Amino acid sequence: DADVTQTPRNRITKTGKRIMLECSQTKGHDRMYWYRQDPGLGLRLIYYSFDVKDINKGEISDGYSVSRQAQAKFSLSLESAIPNQTALYFCATSGPKQETQYFGPGTRLLVL
Amino acid sequence: AQKVTQAQTEISVVEKEDVTLDCVYETRDTTYYLFWYKQPPSGELVFLIRRNSFDEQNEISGRYSWNFQKSTSSFNFTITASQVVDSAVYFCALSGRDLDMRFGAGTRLTVKP
Repeated sequence: DADVTQTPRNRITKTGKRIMLECSQTKGHDRMYWYRQDPGLGLRLIYYSFDVKDINKGEISDGYSVSRQAQAKFSLSLESAIPNQTALYFCATSGPKQETQYFGPGTRLLVL
Repeated sequence: AQKVTQAQTEISVVEKEDVTLDCVYETRDTTYYLFWYKQPPSGELVFLIRRNSFDEQNEISGRYSWNFQKSTSSFNFTITASQVVDSAVYFCALSGRDLDMRFGAGTRLTVKP
């Protein structure tokens, strides 16, 4: 089984709808991250969490919110989706001391 | 502020050629980590290497090698004797004191048979 899983893998939604992307990990890592990938822009950090009680904004947090329900779960919400949030979203985890980040398979989101 | 620049947007080579992917970074931190990730056409991100700022030794892993030079703020990646399976987008990334990771825009490598 994969260490970092994301659901759904693909999602099509309409402008204004609320949507949640979920991430689960079995690596036992405290740190979890959400990124979005857009063509030509690489990956940009949306939010990150170093433990259940610690949530931090990343480079592009506007329009997004997150919830760290447990050490193993980190959800990303779009309260009112808009077309420019169409992107590939990745969840990642890492251990302490800036260890390598391990990525989930990604979620392709299309907002019409 | 941290920044990673991958000036090569796309590179195309013929199989068995050597190819170098460039990465230049900016940071004010004295302690930082550099990474390379591979994203094949299937879309997942595959970790290739991590290097900390105090270790400037070059590293070789099979056909892959990395050249870290603090003097030029570069962390270049070379694939020797490229193969079609090396076709992917390659990302260089930097993680500093504030612990968030900044990625370059990526270089798309196409290896033709």
